Amino acid sequence: EPEVTQTPSHQVTQMGQEVILRCVPISNHLYFYWYRQILGQKVEFLVSFYNNEISEKSEIFDDQFSVERPDGSNFTLKIRSTKLEDSAMYFCASSGTGTRETQYFGPGTRLLVL
Amino acid sequence: GDSVTQMEGPVTLSEEACLTINCTYTATGYPSLFWYVQYPGEGLQLLLKATKADDKGSNKGFEATYRKETTSFHLEKGSVQVSDSAVYFCALSDPHPGGTSYGKLTFGQGTILTVHP
Repeated sequence: EPEVTQTPSHQVTQMGQEVILRCVPISNHLYFYWYRQILGQKVEFLVSFYNNEISEKSEIFDDQFSVERPDGSNFTLKIRSTKLEDSAMYFCASSGTGTRETQYFGPGTRLLVL
Repeated sequence: GDSVTQMEGPVTLSEEACLTINCTYTATGYPSLFWYVQYPGEGLQLLLKATKADDKGSNKGFEATYRKETTSFHLEKGSVQVSDSAVYFCALSDPHPGGTSYGKLTFGQGTILTVHP
């Protein structure tokens, strides 16, 4: 069964460093999403991406964040200068283009900013 | 804006007990409703969904009915198993802006379920 994959599973970085989180969505999907979950809090939407551009973003997704689909398979989330409060689990999701398609989630990347 | 409220957890049950996890929502449009489950060390998996009022979603013995009049989507199971121990998330989605696919998911805070033998 096709699945969304994410790398790395865990990342530890120093405050102020750039990190890139990688996702491989399901191959025939065209909508891509990033969510995050700070420990003990809700899963929060960050951004959705379709047709090589951002289709919707939340207030959390400020200028420190960017997304890219550099090739036909990867979907990345970059945080330019990490802050302590960026420590969270980051989930990638993808969905197809049919009416009312389900979003399928990856296993997540746990980011720890020191 | 849209929001989802789940019952406070954690919930601890004995095997074969009945489960209900309450979920209520606030939405501006006509959302679709979902229950996702997260097993230890894994990502979010769709458990069931309902796309319009009075629809019942079901999977693996779990059920939830979309109640527009009470803005609720409570998750139920008649007899839980140890393997059901996980975190359960209620979520909603309005249609994607300008498209037919779902837009962003808005999640509740999650309910930790632990089932003992």
